[in-house]
Amino acid sequence: DVKVTQSSRYLVKRTGEKVFLECVQDMDHENMFWYRQDPGLGLRLIYFSYDVKMKEKGDIPEGYSVSREKKERFSLILESASTNQTSMYLCASRAGGEQFFGPGTRLTVL
Amino acid sequence: AQSVTQPDIHITVSEGASLELRCNYSYGATPYLFWYVQSPGQGLQLLLKYFSGDTLVQGIKGFEAEFKRSQSSFNLRKPSVHWSDAAEYFCAVGMDSNYQLIWGAGTKLIIKP
Repeated sequence: DVKVTQSSRYLVKRTGEKVFLECVQDMDHENMFWYRQDPGLGLRLIYFSYDVKMKEKGDIPEGYSVSREKKERFSLILESASTNQTSMYLCASRAGGEQFFGPGTRLTVL
Repeated sequence: AQSVTQPDIHITVSEGASLELRCNYSYGATPYLFWYVQSPGQGLQLLLKYFSGDTLVQGIKGFEAEFKRSQSSFNLRKPSVHWSDAAEYFCAVGMDSNYQLIWGAGTKLIIKP
């Protein structure tokens, strides 16, 4: 079974803090994704990566950056957290057209 | 621009009743179509997908979906729902199997005992 894990299920941070969300997949997938999920808006793509050290902006990259130094790990970075980044963050990896999701990190920025 | 519409934000169904969740998309060619389910506190799980071929697709947990090109729809169905089906359901569309997906806003399914 494909497993995608995310470093935290719940996270509370202060405005202005630098926040790291980590995602690890164990199936050697080349493609990985970061989404945020907000009620009524579905999933919106923040960044994706086709391979190590490669990244592409998604629909809402502002305020975020990513890092992919190893194939299995894809990190999302909030450079200076703001209250409007309070959301559920979902990581996924892809193979054969199917995306496999982690359990999500619910981030609250106070 | 491509878009995906799930017209129902919430649907309430009695346990044992049939279910149909609607999904419409806007795209010029035949897209790649997906339904995912998100149970409370869980990540998203793929229910079924359509790439080509038979337009009636069978998925896991007793779900099926039918691709109707003329209606630009990919509706999800289940003949008899169980309380464990209470979840949020997302339709997603891609231009090919390796392209990023466009997601609907989701439909929350509530099951009445």
